[in-house]
Formats: sequence, C-alpha cells, structure tokens
Amino acid sequence: DAKTTQPPSMDCAEGRAANLPCNHSTISGNEYVYWYRQIHSQGPQYIIHGLKNNETNEMASLIITEDRKSSTLILPHATLRDTAVYYCIVRVGTTNAGKSTFGDGTTLTVKP
Amino acid sequence: DVKVTQSSRYLVKRTGEKVFLECVQDMDHENMFWYRQDPGLGLRLIYFSYDVKMKEKGDIPEGYSVSREKKERFSLILESASTNQTSMYLCASSKQGLGHSPLHFGNGTRLTVT
Repeated sequence: DAKTTQPPSMDCAEGRAANLPCNHSTISGNEYVYWYRQIHSQGPQYIIHGLKNNETNEMASLIITEDRKSSTLILPHATLRDTAVYYCIVRVGTTNAGKSTFGDGTTLTVKP
Repeated sequence: DVKVTQSSRYLVKRTGEKVFLECVQDMDHENMFWYRQDPGLGLRLIYFSYDVKMKEKGDIPEGYSVSREKKERFSLILESASTNQTSMYLCASSKQGLGHSPLHFGNGTRLTVT
C-alpha cells in the first residue's frame, strides 16, 4: 500500500470550513483514498473514501487531484466536536485483507 | 450499523502473564485486523486475517499471536506479556471483495503490563 503524508496539526475556527490535505504521490491505480478520524479515547471512525472522482457524504467532501497524487478532506462547517486526529490512508480493495498502514495523521483543533 | 466489540476497555496484567484480547464483529465481515496505537507512532498493524483459521503477519507481529476459529471472532494473544506491550489495542473488520471496503474499528482495549 502507498504511503501518505499529512501535516501534523491544523487549527480551524468554529463554523468555518476545515481543509485537510494529504499527499499520496506513490498511489497505484487500484488504490482507494480513505479518510478516518479518531476522537480521544475512541477507535477511528470511517468518514469517506474515493478512487478518482470527488465524493461527498453527510460528514464531509473529498477532493482528489486529477493525477491522484493528493487529496483534501473538507469539513464544510467545522464544529467543536470535529476536534480529532484525521487519518488519510490508501488501500487496495482486493479479495484478501489488503493491509492498511496508518501514519500519524493530522490533529485538527476547532476553536470557538 | 456495524459493531466491532472489544471485550475489555481496560486491562492490567503482570509481566509474564498470558493475555487474551477478544474482538467480535456482527456484520459477517471476512477481514479482521489487530493494531496497536502508541503516542508518536500512530497505528501499527500487528496481525490480520481474511478467513477463518487464516492469519497473516502485519508490521509488528513479534511477541503476539492470533486465533480466528469463527468468522466473527478474532483474538490477539500475548504469550508472555512484557512492559513494552503496554499500549492501546484496536481491532477492526472489513468486508472482502473488489472495490471499496472501509475498516470498522472497536473502541480499543488499553492494556497496562506491570
């Protein structure tokens, strides 16, 4: 699985959009981009994923560049409850497990 | 909703003890994973399994073994616990197959070895 690079920390004002970048320059054609977040003392929670196209769900939007070497997770109206560590990983969906390697993630702090 | 349940939230064990961490998922997922999480080191994969009785080593398997006798249950075993195995342990599961397959995590077991 390809490796990802994320900034260690970011701040965002409550109510504003939070844009979290991720670099995955060695991504392969069959690897999906997944985003998870981990709130203190809980397990990571799945947010969104994508292959080539931009995606949106009730939690967030995912923008993937045309060359697929980077992506941005967008939380459109950040709240204090969005303060968490956000992980970007790339992962193959295959018939076996497909190991997923989590880096250090980005600690997002939403401030009032 | 997918539920991944880890049997204990907190465990305290002594050095040399045999420790079992249990994980159960209720969504008929083929794949199950064990990670440990330590400050500054992120999540590191210990073992994973893609079928009953099948297992594969992750990035840090030393000192651990696993058991998958039933599809819904994946156990992590510390044969002889050591203080450097004090950590947060996270279990996850996912559906097998082509295409996308998110990981679903439990809430973790915080193990302290004294």
